[in-house]
Amino acid sequence: AQSVTQPDIHITVSEGASLELRCNYSYGATPYLFWYVQSPGQGLQLLLKYFSGDTLVQGIKGFEAEFKRSQSSFNLRKPSVHWSDAAEYFCAVGIPGTASKLTFGTGTRLQVTL
Amino acid sequence: SAVISQKPSRDICQRGTSLTIQCQVDSQVTMMFWYRQQPGQSLTLIATANQGSEATYESGFVIDKFPISRPNLTFSTLTVSNMSPEDSSIYLCSVDISGTENSPLHFGNGTRLTVT
Repeated sequence: AQSVTQPDIHITVSEGASLELRCNYSYGATPYLFWYVQSPGQGLQLLLKYFSGDTLVQGIKGFEAEFKRSQSSFNLRKPSVHWSDAAEYFCAVGIPGTASKLTFGTGTRLQVTL
Repeated sequence: SAVISQKPSRDICQRGTSLTIQCQVDSQVTMMFWYRQQPGQSLTLIATANQGSEATYESGFVIDKFPISRPNLTFSTLTVSNMSPEDSSIYLCSVDISGTENSPLHFGNGTRLTVT
């Protein structure tokens, strides 16, 4: 069965600093990969997704993620963090053929200091 | 993207009672999903609800505890039955808009349930 690991439970960065959130997955082939963001009291919003093709994907709010097959990783990055980016970030995988059923990582809580 | 409305947004319930959560989508969707997010944890899929058929439950979840209805292509309900404090969670409805394999899920804002 597939699994997702987000090694960092909590990250604090200063506003304007760069950000990288780590995500590693376990699956025998290439899965579909997603990053979602959850603001306090809100549902999940899709930031970006990877299905195939270019391994560097662009998302909303200035986020990007890079799929690295050799490392089974799909890390989320942003060059300059804004205070409004403070939220919980979830990496998720979907299996081709059952892509709508997602397996989520445990999440990384991002705190932004001014 | 779809607009997904969940009701109630939050509730505090006594153990032994049941709560029905509603999920309304502003467009017709084939597949709807119910997830649970326990405090401090990630999301776990409870079941998949397709219109016109019985819901499909994931391992560890049963229909008697989490009955689901899907009367049409824009609406679904999840009932949390005979609640205990362990059921305190956020329950999220999600939809697959296009019904194609490459379609990501869109989520409602969730229902925050506290069982006392």
